[in-house]
Amino acid sequence: DAKTTQPPSMDCAEGRAANLPCNHSTISGNEYVYWYRQIHSQGPQYIIHGLKNNETNEMASLIITEDRKSSTLILPHATLRDTAVYYCIVRSTPPGGADGLTFGKGTHLIIQP
Amino acid sequence: DGGITQSPKYLFRKEGQNVTLSCEQNLNHDAMYWYRQDPGQGLRLIYYSQIVNDFQKGDIAEGYSVSREKKESFPLTVTSAQKNPTAFYLCASRSGTGGFGEQYFGPGTRLTVT
Repeated sequence: DAKTTQPPSMDCAEGRAANLPCNHSTISGNEYVYWYRQIHSQGPQYIIHGLKNNETNEMASLIITEDRKSSTLILPHATLRDTAVYYCIVRSTPPGGADGLTFGKGTHLIIQP
Repeated sequence: DGGITQSPKYLFRKEGQNVTLSCEQNLNHDAMYWYRQDPGQGLRLIYYSQIVNDFQKGDIAEGYSVSREKKESFPLTVTSAQKNPTAFYLCASRSGTGGFGEQYFGPGTRLTVT
């Protein structure tokens, strides 16, 4: 699976949009981009995933560049409860369906009141 | 409510003792996973199981064992052979045995071995 690079931390004002970048320059054609977040001392929570088209759900939007070498997770109106570590993961499903997620250190997003 | 339960939330053991962590899901998911998280680090995969009575080693399986006798349950045993067992352990499940789909995580068990 391709490696990802994320900034270790970011701040965002409450009510503003939080834009979290992720670089995945070695991504291959069959690899998806997944985003999870982990609030302190809890299990990670799935947010969104995409292949090449931009995606939006009730939690966030995912913008993937045309060359697919980077992406941005957007939380449109950040609240204090969005303070968490956000993980960008790139993976495919090998033949046979073996799987599991590789989590890096992620970005610690701090929402400021 | 549907979800994944892990018990207990905090667990303390003496060095040299085996300990079993519980993971139960009522989501009717086929695949289940165990991860370990150390302070300030991401998650690392210990074991996973795609169907009952079958499981595979992940990246850091040494010193751990699992069983999958029922679809709903995937207990993890931390054996005395695990050199650094103190960590936050997370269980997850996913529907389907292949393809894509988000993983649902339990609340975790924080194990401390002294």
